Amino acid sequence: AQSVTQLDSHVSVSEGTPVLLRCNYSSSYSPSLFWYVQHPNKGLQLLLKYTSAATLVKGINGFEAEFKKSETSFHLTKPSAHMSDAAEYFCVVSDPSGGSYIPTFGRGTSLIVHP
Amino acid sequence: DARVTQTPRHKVTEMGQEVTMRCQPILGHNTVFWYRQTMMQGLELLAYFRNRAPLDDSGMPKDRFSAEMPDATLATLKIQPSEPRDSAVYFCAGLLNTEAFFGQGTRLTVV
Repeated sequence: AQSVTQLDSHVSVSEGTPVLLRCNYSSSYSPSLFWYVQHPNKGLQLLLKYTSAATLVKGINGFEAEFKKSETSFHLTKPSAHMSDAAEYFCVVSDPSGGSYIPTFGRGTSLIVHP
Repeated sequence: DARVTQTPRHKVTEMGQEVTMRCQPILGHNTVFWYRQTMMQGLELLAYFRNRAPLDDSGMPKDRFSAEMPDATLATLKIQPSEPRDSAVYFCAGLLNTEAFFGQGTRLTVV
């Protein structure tokens, strides 16, 4: 069965400093991996996805993530945080273990950005 | 555009009333999911369909919840009778290749 662990429930950074949101996954297949962002009282927006192409994936708003199979990780980074980045971030793993690609969500990481 | 549409966006209802939430995936989304989001549990998978057939609804309380997909562009989630603990945001998603496209959610409040 697939699973995903987001290692931090909250991450606090100052505006202009780097962001690192950590995600580890478990899968018996070659998974697809995603990061979604959710702003308060809003829906889920796809930031980026990995689907077995390049291991370094670039997404929207300056975010990127690197797929590391040896470490079973898919950490999300951004060089410089903006106030508008404050939101909840979800790492998602999806593989065909259930007969269909079923997105499994991590518990989320709340990113807090201080002025 | 692979966007999924959910209605209503917000629903406030009294305990005991029936609630119906609707989801319109696009043609090509051969798998459709229902998720529930709460502060305590995060995002939980309630049920999903493939080619309109229910595959798994083990995440759903069967005594009061039911999910159907009457056609390829309409999925429904019903709660009867509703209870305050059902208050949550309910998301629908359609799968295209390996990517899930989420609707904006229905925020349900049961008072």
